[in-house]
Amino acid sequence: DVQLVESGGGSVQPGGSLRLSCEASGFIFGAYWMHWVRQIPGKGLEWVSRIDGDGTTTNYADSVRGRVTISRDNVKDTLYLEMNSLRDEDTAVYYCARSRFDFWGQGAVVTVAS
Amino acid sequence: QSVLTQPPSASETPGQRVTISCSGTSSNIGNNTVNWYQQLPGMAPRLLIYDNNQRPSGLPDRFSGSKSGTSASLAISGLQSEDEADYYCASWDDSVNGWVFGGGTKVTVL
Repeated sequence: DVQLVESGGGSVQPGGSLRLSCEASGFIFGAYWMHWVRQIPGKGLEWVSRIDGDGTTTNYADSVRGRVTISRDNVKDTLYLEMNSLRDEDTAVYYCARSRFDFWGQGAVVTVAS
Repeated sequence: QSVLTQPPSASETPGQRVTISCSGTSSNIGNNTVNWYQQLPGMAPRLLIYDNNQRPSGLPDRFSGSKSGTSASLAISGLQSEDEADYYCASWDDSVNGWVFGGGTKVTVL
């Protein structure tokens, strides 16, 4: 079965940094684009970033470009999201998702507050 | 303000049909396919429809999608209480070089 398990969420002060991880299993990880999508509590879904199967192509939403880096380790079957210069408005549940968003993780909660 | 426009809510009685619209532009829906997702309270989203009208294996055929021009729609027929959820449309947007989602539609089964 396909499984995506996020980790690394937590509380951080504005201006701080955090790295999220998403461990994949049940499929050939390196064959798929992967995404990060976030959701502010009580609000809608916002796409954050994507990366292709071999990690050479990445795209970012304007709201995070320059502050966030997506990467992957196809040996460890793990997707990452390095977040820097965090702002209050980055507070959200962060989901990793596969390809056409056909499988999602359970989400990692990120809280940015002083 | 979401790039794709959905009505905030929709409701219907059990057994009836509800339709959710998703309006975009030529840079997203008009030039790319549309996916639909269901999010039950407290859960991660689930793929319902991909490539405008394709259902993942195992999904009941009560769920159907369509697209015309710069708009798309999701229809749920034979509405059931377990269909109460938030529904989101999404499409690739050529102008922002990223995926865009609708603001979500909360479906209530009366």
